[in-house]
Amino acid sequence: GENVEQHPSTLSVQEGDSAVIKCTYSDSASNYFPWYKQELGKGPQLIIDIRSNVGEKKDQRIAVTLNKTAKHFSLHITETQPEDSAVYFCAARGGFKTIFGAGTRLFVKA
Amino acid sequence: GAGVSQSPSNKVTEKGKDVELRCDPISGHTALYWYRQSLGQGLEFLIYFQGNSAPDKSGLPSDRFSAERTGGSVSTLTIQRTQQEDSAVYLCASSGQARALDTQYFGPGTRLTVL
Repeated sequence: GENVEQHPSTLSVQEGDSAVIKCTYSDSASNYFPWYKQELGKGPQLIIDIRSNVGEKKDQRIAVTLNKTAKHFSLHITETQPEDSAVYFCAARGGFKTIFGAGTRLFVKA
Repeated sequence: GAGVSQSPSNKVTEKGKDVELRCDPISGHTALYWYRQSLGQGLEFLIYFQGNSAPDKSGLPSDRFSAERTGGSVSTLTIQRTQQEDSAVYLCASSGQARALDTQYFGPGTRLTVL
């Protein structure tokens, strides 16, 4: 069945450094790839997304890249801040169903 | 409304009891989704609604789980004869349409604990 693998499961960086989270999907029909940030006790919040006809998208300190041939997509956070600490989920969608990765717990040390 | 709301925020129940979880989607959103998130895990798809219809119920873990949506708005997820393995956070999301490119907006979740 459809699957999304996400790595690493835990990531610790120093404030100001960059963080990269990588995902791989299996369903070649996937054409929409959102990224969500989940803080403790809250639901996931969309932070950025990318469609299959685009290879890269940037929004301030956050960027996503997509390689459809390799079925890889990545989240890049630059100049990390303590408030970036949270769990991040990648997801892939090809129809009504969104398949989520297992999540990456990001710690940004001040 | 301003966002997706869910109630209750926390529910503690005894094994074998039935529970009902409620989701109020964003006003005007026709698609509604239920997910389950076990501790430290990702999101497991349960069911989605387009309007009041649920085209795919294959994500429901067992026949103890059911969901309905009335008036194209509020949805209720019911778990009968709860088991300890049902303990999780149940998340609801809504989107304008159940199309591939429509963004899903999540509620805060209901944390269910089965003793």
